[in-house]
Amino acid sequence: EPEVTQTPSHQVTQMGQEVILRCVPISNHLYFYWYRQILGQKVEFLVSFYNNEISEKSEIFDDQFSVERPDGSNFTLKIRSTKLEDSAMYFCASMLGVQGYTFGSGTRLTVV
Amino acid sequence: ELKVEQNPLFLSMQEGKNYTIYCNYSTTSDRLYWYRQDPGKSLESLFVLLSNGAVKQEGRLMASLDTKARLSTLHITAAVHDLSATYFCAVTHNNNDMRFGAGTRLTVKP
Repeated sequence: EPEVTQTPSHQVTQMGQEVILRCVPISNHLYFYWYRQILGQKVEFLVSFYNNEISEKSEIFDDQFSVERPDGSNFTLKIRSTKLEDSAMYFCASMLGVQGYTFGSGTRLTVV
Repeated sequence: ELKVEQNPLFLSMQEGKNYTIYCNYSTTSDRLYWYRQDPGKSLESLFVLLSNGAVKQEGRLMASLDTKARLSTLHITAAVHDLSATYFCAVTHNNNDMRFGAGTRLTVKP
């Protein structure tokens, strides 16, 4: 069964450093998403991406965040200058149609 | 702004018992999803409900959707320990963007 692949599975970074979280969505999917989940809490929408541009973003997705789909397969989330409160599980998801998202296994980001 | 509310947030039940988790949402949507999450793991799709009156069943879980009441239910029949997990409902908003409820942490005790 096709999968959404995320790397790395765990990233530890120092406060103020830049991080790039990588995702390879399912190849024929058209919509791409990033969500985050602070430990034990709800799954929060960050950004959606369609047709090579951001279609919607939440208030969490401020100027410190950016997304790219540089080569038609990878889908990346960059956090420019990490803060302690950015520590969370970040999930990438992709979708073809109404059947919903396929989520990746997540990247646990720890900012120290 | 779309709000998705689940209750209860925590549910402890005995094996063999039945219970229902509720999911209410605030604006019109005709697509509702249920996901399961085990600790430290990703979200696993359980059900996709695409129309009013939709009912789907898989094993001991049954989900239904009432779009007029903006309510979905996830019914658990004769719970077993393996069902212990966090269950999320999610509703689409603005085309395909999904918003999640806070989750229901289910613990099934022997």
